[in-house]
Amino acid sequence: EIVLTQSPGTLSLSPGERATLSCRASQSVSSTYLAWYQQKPGQPPRLLFYGTSRRATGIPDRFSGSGSGTDFTLTISRLEPEDFAVYYCHQYGLSPKTFGQGTKLEIK
Amino acid sequence: EVQLLESGGGLVQPGGSLRLSCAASGFTFITSGMSWVRQAPGKGLEWVSSITGTALGTYYADSVKGRFTISRDNSKNTLYLQMNSLRAEDTAVYYCVKDALTDYGVLTESAWGQGTLVTVSS
Repeated sequence: EIVLTQSPGTLSLSPGERATLSCRASQSVSSTYLAWYQQKPGQPPRLLFYGTSRRATGIPDRFSGSGSGTDFTLTISRLEPEDFAVYYCHQYGLSPKTFGQGTKLEIK
Repeated sequence: EVQLLESGGGLVQPGGSLRLSCAASGFTFITSGMSWVRQAPGKGLEWVSSITGTALGTYYADSVKGRFTISRDNSKNTLYLQMNSLRAEDTAVYYCVKDALTDYGVLTESAWGQGTLVTVSS
């Protein structure tokens, strides 16, 4: 099973700042099979990126996804108030599919 | 527009059974892999099960293997999850998910339903 470890667990930042979220895999993941989701309370996860860096429909370009092998990064260049949420990385290349434990992005 | 509408959740006693359904529209269902993902209250996301478009391949998390069965009816564009021998730890919101990969290996955007709540309690 591929274990995805996200860091930090909680990130406290202010609007306008840059956010960098990390996802580390226990073994190599093809970049084709790595996604990022955003989730707000009471809502289903919202797809941000698939295939590591392919931005989903409607996602603003202040969000970017990058990485390869075992290290992947979600970057938000300038935080907007609506960006404060929980973020999950997800690998779907090997069964069992797995999710990271999440990074909570909170307002400082 | 892709739409996924789950139904069938509710309150069930430990040891009981429940069948979830997911009505899909807005994409070519027969070539799309589908999954169920759950989220226990206040917890993270947990993959439960997946099925290929042709239904020839089914996959399960160890936590549900032997108790849950995933299936699909491509004539009705509907995905199912039969849940037997339910336990308190199965309590969660269950999401129906259109997978990112088609049966032909084409990478597409995944999509999620709004979820249906399953509560296992006496």
